[in-house]
Amino acid sequence: SAVISQKPSRDICQRGTSLTIQCQVDSQVTMMFWYRQQPGQSLTLIATANQGSEATYESGFVIDKFPISRPNLTFSTLTVSNMSPEDSSIYLCSVGQAGDEQYFGPGTRLTVT
Amino acid sequence: QKEVEQNSGPLSVPEGAIASLNCTYSDRGSQSFFWYRQYSGKSPELIMSIYSNGDKEDGRFTAQLNKASQYVSLLIRDSQPSDSATYLCAVPPLNTGNQFYFGTGTSLTVIP
Repeated sequence: SAVISQKPSRDICQRGTSLTIQCQVDSQVTMMFWYRQQPGQSLTLIATANQGSEATYESGFVIDKFPISRPNLTFSTLTVSNMSPEDSSIYLCSVGQAGDEQYFGPGTRLTVT
Repeated sequence: QKEVEQNSGPLSVPEGAIASLNCTYSDRGSQSFFWYRQYSGKSPELIMSIYSNGDKEDGRFTAQLNKASQYVSLLIRDSQPSDSATYLCAVPPLNTGNQFYFGTGTSLTVIP
């Protein structure tokens, strides 16, 4: 499976600011996904990052709050904008095929104060 | 009804015993089923995939699928303390794009 890295691994941010999370894969992949895992909860898909086009967002997530870039087949970024304490969570990128195996990066632990 | 439900646990088993983790899902059209292991503070790690009814074995792990009952389980034989983690069941529903429904997870503790 692909080796996936994320930056930063953790951050503490003030409310109202924005944080951009990077996801790098060691091989070209068609599909990259962004998930959120809130404390004590399971994973929720935020969006699918599409290379060359806008991301596809799941219900409850909007581009203004979570803009995503996918400039090539090995890299994607997720920005958490205008943060509030409710955005405190672990953010995970994954790679794989729709409806098939997905592999996760190490995650970014975000705390908003 | 949630898309994917797991027995919430926590589940404790003695070392060497069999741990049984269960998952039910709501979409009858789902074709693929996955078990992930998540250690505290770490990201989920794929440990088993199953696509057909019946059993699939991989080392100490056995996944069991019954599509008629919409039920998938994970058995861990000869449980080790290193198996202590949260186990997540994941089921992509049919025809809903890229959605990948995860259960809330079952916390397993193997007692030495």
